[in-house]
Amino acid sequence: NAGVMQNPRHLVRRRGQEARLRCSPMKGHSHVYWYRQLPEEGLKFMVYLQKENIIDESGMPKERFSAEFPKEGPSILRIQQVVRGDSAAYFCASSRQGSVGYTFGSGTRLTVV
Amino acid sequence: KNEVEQSPQNLTAQEGEFITINCSYSVGISALHWLQQHPGGGIVSLFMLSSGKKKHGRLIATINIQEKHSSLHITASHPRDSAVYICAVAADSNYQLIWGAGTKLIIKP
Repeated sequence: NAGVMQNPRHLVRRRGQEARLRCSPMKGHSHVYWYRQLPEEGLKFMVYLQKENIIDESGMPKERFSAEFPKEGPSILRIQQVVRGDSAAYFCASSRQGSVGYTFGSGTRLTVV
Repeated sequence: KNEVEQSPQNLTAQEGEFITINCSYSVGISALHWLQQHPGGGIVSLFMLSSGKKKHGRLIATINIQEKHSSLHITASHPRDSAVYICAVAADSNYQLIWGAGTKLIIKP
């Protein structure tokens, strides 16, 4: 029973390109959370999704960032027209409905050059 | 004032020492998490507590709900325990985790 799977582990993009980060939750988990960790900082909440629904995106930057969690397949965090300030570690966590027991993925480290 | 405060921010100790990291919070919670992050590494969930005490190997976590305080203890510390230890609470009113700033632990051989 694999844990939360994130890929890629490392992603390098040039300024202006698009970045797609994937998160497959644990089996049986229907809730996904995305967090961003800037260098030398703590984790910050970005977005909370259930299957086919965005529940709370209050932590998402208003532009260029979007997230989805389709009925089939992983959750995707998409960053359009990346800038150097987007360089960070992006962590995904999942949980069962009604549970506060989170399981974290290993993260995707995005570097924008 | 942050809703979750950890102390100390940095801790350096010798191998074998008993380590205590503290976490105080100011909101009502449904659960408290202790997590570990190695440099450049992922996040590993160590404990989830809503009351009492849990033990896993050399790690012990306690929580006092009335005092809104939790401690993480490491017995017989080892250099491989060197990491950032993070306290995060799941508030009663919200599914979001509220994160402490983390404690950077270095264990010297």
